[in-house]
Amino acid sequence: DAGITQSPRHKVTETGTPVTLRCHQTENHRYMYWYRQDPGHGLRLIHYSYGVKDTDKGEVSDGYSVSRSKTEDFLLTLESATSSQTSVYFCAISTVGLAGSNEQFFGPGTRLTVL
Amino acid sequence: QQQVKQSPQSLIVQKGGISIINCAYENTAFDYFPWYQQFPGKGPALLIAIRPDVSEKKEGRFTISFNKSAKQFSLHIMDSQPGDSATYFCAASTNQFYFGTGTSLTVIP
Repeated sequence: DAGITQSPRHKVTETGTPVTLRCHQTENHRYMYWYRQDPGHGLRLIHYSYGVKDTDKGEVSDGYSVSRSKTEDFLLTLESATSSQTSVYFCAISTVGLAGSNEQFFGPGTRLTVL
Repeated sequence: QQQVKQSPQSLIVQKGGISIINCAYENTAFDYFPWYQQFPGKGPALLIAIRPDVSEKKEGRFTISFNKSAKQFSLHIMDSQPGDSATYFCAASTNQFYFGTGTSLTVIP
């Protein structure tokens, strides 16, 4: 998985609780991304980062926040989890920015269930 | 609104046959069209990609055909093998990636 780890790999939580997912890379790549994967929707970009403390919103950012205090770590936070946020979350990294011939390497995913 | 439309949703092919997955898009600003392969419990992995100035790209048994005027592109898997059984996603990008909904491919021995 190109030096990307995600933790936890599985989590079950209750509606209204805060949840933080962690993505850790060992490749020192500048760009990091959080996607969610849902049946019938493919992968959708939640947030991305183009450097330490530099982040921006993606296609489905409502209800999510991110932080990147170190190059190697990108955190995704659900401030108050809802059942609609039950999904598989993937972190990705790339050497190039969003555009162009941008090969993204994906982590193994985190399966989140919100009851 | 789905930016990239992918079909079929599922596909069953005999070993040795040709698997064909199609994608269509509307945004002519897209300039990079990758295909990803995903096995259960794993993250997607880049399989092959094409830019719109090329009509075809081949890598081993995998070929992308690109029709710029029709705004369509497709993945052809020649001599399909059971090990190719996976979910395949097409994508298109401008300043961010938009993925198709995925095709579950099963290759029967």
